[in-house]
Amino acid sequence: ETGVTQTPRHLVMGMTNKKSLKCEQHLGHNAMYWYKQSAKKPLELMFVYSLEERVENNSVPSRFSPECPNSSHLFLHLHTLQPEDSALYLCASTQELPGELFFGEGSRLTVL
Amino acid sequence: GQNIDQPTEMTATEGAIVQINCTYQTSGFNGLFWYQQHAGEAPTFLSYNVLDGLEEKGRFSSFLSRSKGYSYLLLKELQMKDSASYLCAVRGYSTLTFGKGTMLLVSP
Repeated sequence: ETGVTQTPRHLVMGMTNKKSLKCEQHLGHNAMYWYKQSAKKPLELMFVYSLEERVENNSVPSRFSPECPNSSHLFLHLHTLQPEDSALYLCASTQELPGELFFGEGSRLTVL
Repeated sequence: GQNIDQPTEMTATEGAIVQINCTYQTSGFNGLFWYQQHAGEAPTFLSYNVLDGLEEKGRFSSFLSRSKGYSYLLLKELQMKDSASYLCAVRGYSTLTFGKGTMLLVSP
């Protein structure tokens, strides 16, 4: 199994839909992250969880809702998104805060 | 806050040497990472510098000057597969902050 696995790899949704992105890490790490990557912009940190507790929330709109049920799983629940939310959403994990990030392949989201 | 600056694009030819610069102004500094990201793929770790000086790893080397807020990634004997985006990231107290990335195009 690869270190960090994200599903789905591609998602197309309407503005009224509700969907979720899933991330699973098999590295035994204690911290997990959601990043947003848009064209021509740096990777933007969205959420950080350490030992299943949220430690950072970078002013992300409430239409993005994270969930970390255990140290191996991280979800990003999506609700009434906007077209400008179309981007690559990357999950990552680290052994410690902060440390070398191990990224998943990303979920390419398109909002119509 | 954090401000990280790196060139948007660079081009080079196969077999050449290229240096990608990164400058930063940060409120906290605990090290600097370089990541490589091929189109449509996840970023992968290249190097980490926390002390001043040069770290060499095969064809890739990374340099850090903390007093100048400056780092560079040096790629030698360029190969076509080195065409990718190179991301500079500064380690703060709790997270990494990334630059916009430098898109490197290697031509024959």
